[in-house]
Amino acid sequence: AQSVSQHNHHVILSEAASLELGCNYSYGGTVNLFWYVQYPGQHLQLLLKYFSGDPLVKGIKGFEAEFIKSKFSFNLRKPSVQWSDTAEYFCAVNARSSGTYKYIFGTGTRLKVLA
Amino acid sequence: EAGVTQFPSHSVIEKGQTVTLRCDPISGHDNLYWYRRVMGKEIKFLLHFVKESKQDESGMPNNRFLAERTGGTYSTLKVQPAELEDSGVYFCASSQGQGGHYEQYFGPGTRLTVT
Repeated sequence: AQSVSQHNHHVILSEAASLELGCNYSYGGTVNLFWYVQYPGQHLQLLLKYFSGDPLVKGIKGFEAEFIKSKFSFNLRKPSVQWSDTAEYFCAVNARSSGTYKYIFGTGTRLKVLA
Repeated sequence: EAGVTQFPSHSVIEKGQTVTLRCDPISGHDNLYWYRRVMGKEIKFLLHFVKESKQDESGMPNNRFLAERTGGTYSTLKVQPAELEDSGVYFCASSQGQGGHYEQYFGPGTRLTVT
């Protein structure tokens, strides 16, 4: 069955620390991968996405992610986090099943950045 | 451009009552999706409309849930009668197209609490 795993459920970092959030997927078809972020009190918004080409993709707010096909991974990184990065982060694959594309999400990672 | 909106933002109802959630997608987006997040779990797909037609309702939990999208504009999701396990956050999303590359734009969600 198609699935997405996010291994870190809660992460606490100090400002300026580096961030890496893990995401592994299980899907046999062409992958369309996304990272979304939900800031407190706000809606889910897109950080970055990968369909094909350069496996290192850059998104908004200094985030980037690397697609490693052999590891079925799409980890999110940021070299230096800020207090404003405190949020919940979701990895998702847009996969086709039952005749339609739909997002399959991981369980999310809550990031808390200490000032 | 207005984003996806959902109403209400919160709803608290008793077991056995009926609740109707509403979603207004981004204007011009034919594709509308409903997702649900039960506390501590991943965001899960419920169903997908293309205009007024249900393209895929494989994620609907049971026949107590009824979704409609009359006229292909806004959508409603009715839960009747509500059970305790229906508590969670219900997200609506819309997109311009159906393929894997299309980004879905999310609303802020409706937090449903069944007591």
